[in-house]
This record gives sequence, structure tokens and C-alpha cells, in this order.
Amino acid sequence: DIQMTQSPSSLSASVGDRVTITCRASQSISSYLNWYQQKPGKAPKVLIYAASNLQSGVPSRFSGSGSGTDFTLTISSLQPEDFATYYCQQSYSTPRTFGQGTRLEIK
Amino acid sequence: QVQLQESGPGLVKPSETLSLTCTVSGGSISNYYWTWIRQPTGKGLEWIGYIYYSGSTNYNPSLKSRVTISVDTSKNQFSLKLSSVTAADTAVYYCARESMHSSGYCFDYWGQGTLVTVSS
Repeated sequence: DIQMTQSPSSLSASVGDRVTITCRASQSISSYLNWYQQKPGKAPKVLIYAASNLQSGVPSRFSGSGSGTDFTLTISSLQPEDFATYYCQQSYSTPRTFGQGTRLEIK
Repeated sequence: QVQLQESGPGLVKPSETLSLTCTVSGGSISNYYWTWIRQPTGKGLEWIGYIYYSGSTNYNPSLKSRVTISVDTSKNQFSLKLSSVTAADTAVYYCARESMHSSGYCFDYWGQGTLVTVSS
């Protein structure tokens, strides 16, 4: 199985801050990397697919980059509705695997 | 707009079989991978497996001996059976659609999730 490791596990930030979350794969996954946002009691929602492609309807303050084993999700200017948990996920092979999550909290 | 809805018992006894169904509306079940994912309370996401509309399946090796996913294209539904459950199988179970893009796949539509508790 491909292991996905996110850092940090939790993060405190303020509205307007620029935030970066990283995800590392245990082997090269090319650009087969997705990012999801999950709010309490809700299903995850895809933000970025194939490492850097913004899902339709997702605000442009979200961006993704990386390839191979190292990836980043950046939120350029945090909004109140962005406080949530973020997961990376690889679609390079099965079983599909997720990172452990990064909880983004209000400072 | 595609919508997915899980249904099934919220309480299952240990050693019995967990059974859930996902009904897809607003779109065809054809040409996609239909997936089950679970999340224990306060924990991360675990991929259980998927079924292609044609019926081919792929399961997580950690659960493979206990999992069966099936599809009923006439009803636009797919189902999950997990046998010999224990308390460790207590989780919110999500159904999701996996779509293919130019560089891989992603879960672009999800059900709201259903909590299944394993307890006597």
C-alpha cells in the first residue's frame, strides 16, 4: 500500500493568513493526488484533483502543486468557512489511501 | 446534479453482516467506479473498495476476506456487505463516485454518510 503522510497534523491560523499543508507519498505517484476538505458531520468535498487542478466551483484561493512524492495545498487568504480538516489521497494505485488529515483551526 | 444516498441498519450485532445500499440519482451509474469509504468517529478515511458499473470489483486487502460490493444497474444502486463485524467496524460509511480525469481519479460525489454501530 502507498502510505500518505500529511504535515502538520493540526494548524492554527487567522482569517487572511496564507496557509500551506504538505503531503508526502511513500513512493512516486506522479500527479495522481487529490485534496479534500471535510467539515464536522459532513462528507469530504474534493478541492483539487490531479495535484493542481481546481475542481469546478472551488474558490481560486485554493491551489495545489507537486509531483512524484511531495505535494502541497495552499490557501492564499483564509476565510472563516475554510476552517476544516483537509485530506490528501492518492489515486495512483489500489488500495486508494488517504493522509491522516490536517485540522485547520482558528487562532 | 448527481446525488448519492446511503441506507441500511444503523446497528449491527457482533459477528453478523453489515449491509448498506447506495442509491444514485440525477445521473447514470454507467461508466463510473462506485466506492465505499468509512471513517471511525474522530479518525481518518479508509477506502473499502469499488465496483465498476460492469460488475468488476477491487477491495482493500485489509478487508477483502469480509467484503462484497455488488451493483444493480436497473435500480441505479450499489451495495456493501461486510461480514463477521466487530466493534472495530463501527464507523460512518460513505458511498462515493470515483471519476476518471486526465491524470487519475477522484471522488467527486459523496453520500451524506451513515453511522453504523456494532454492538450487542
